[in-house]
Amino acid sequence: GQNIDQPTEMTATEGAIVQINCTYQTSGFNGLFWYQQHAGEAPTFLSYNVLDGLEEKGRFSSFLSRSKGYSYLLLKELQMKDSASYLCAVRDKGYSTLTFGKGTMLLVSP
Amino acid sequence: DTGVSQDPRHKITKRGQNVTFRCDPISEHNRLYWYRQTLGQGPEFLTYFQNEAQLEKSRLLSDRFSAERPKGSFSTLEIQRTEQGDSAMYLCASSSGVGYNEQFFGPGTRLTVL
Repeated sequence: GQNIDQPTEMTATEGAIVQINCTYQTSGFNGLFWYQQHAGEAPTFLSYNVLDGLEEKGRFSSFLSRSKGYSYLLLKELQMKDSASYLCAVRDKGYSTLTFGKGTMLLVSP
Repeated sequence: DTGVSQDPRHKITKRGQNVTFRCDPISEHNRLYWYRQTLGQGPEFLTYFQNEAQLEKSRLLSDRFSAERPKGSFSTLEIQRTEQGDSAMYLCASSSGVGYNEQFFGPGTRLTVL
């Protein structure tokens, strides 16, 4: 079966750095995605990792360790607009469907 | 706006009625996915098309659910004899099958079954 774990909620202050962790146990692995979802809106793609290491994209970075079944999303210089749910998703076979975690609700306060 | 559109955006229906949702993917994308999302949960995979072929269906998908993509462009998702437990956001996504093959999501159809 598939199991993806993320913290339910996190809080942080504007301007700070926050790390959102994701652990997964899946029958196969063909990439890990991070999506951002604002309340009432569709998920939007943030990052993709398929090899071990860090991928940096502006204020957002994502890390993957396949041997540990672990990823994190790092958000720097937090802004109020970063308040959203962050979804970790694993593509576990072929090149098709995603299995999502429940999401981590991040609240950024002034 | 990702370029994926869904219609309607909201649907309220009575238990036992049938409903149909439409998804128009990004035009050059050959892959199309349907997900269901309830409050506080991540999207849950329902079914997947490559062109007009339905290649994968979730084992959780009831026989009351059916999806089509007749010409490999838009897709419809029909739920027959709706139940209150069907109340959720139904999300459609599409992807190109190249590069990261990341999925682009539509705004969703929120279904409320009374």
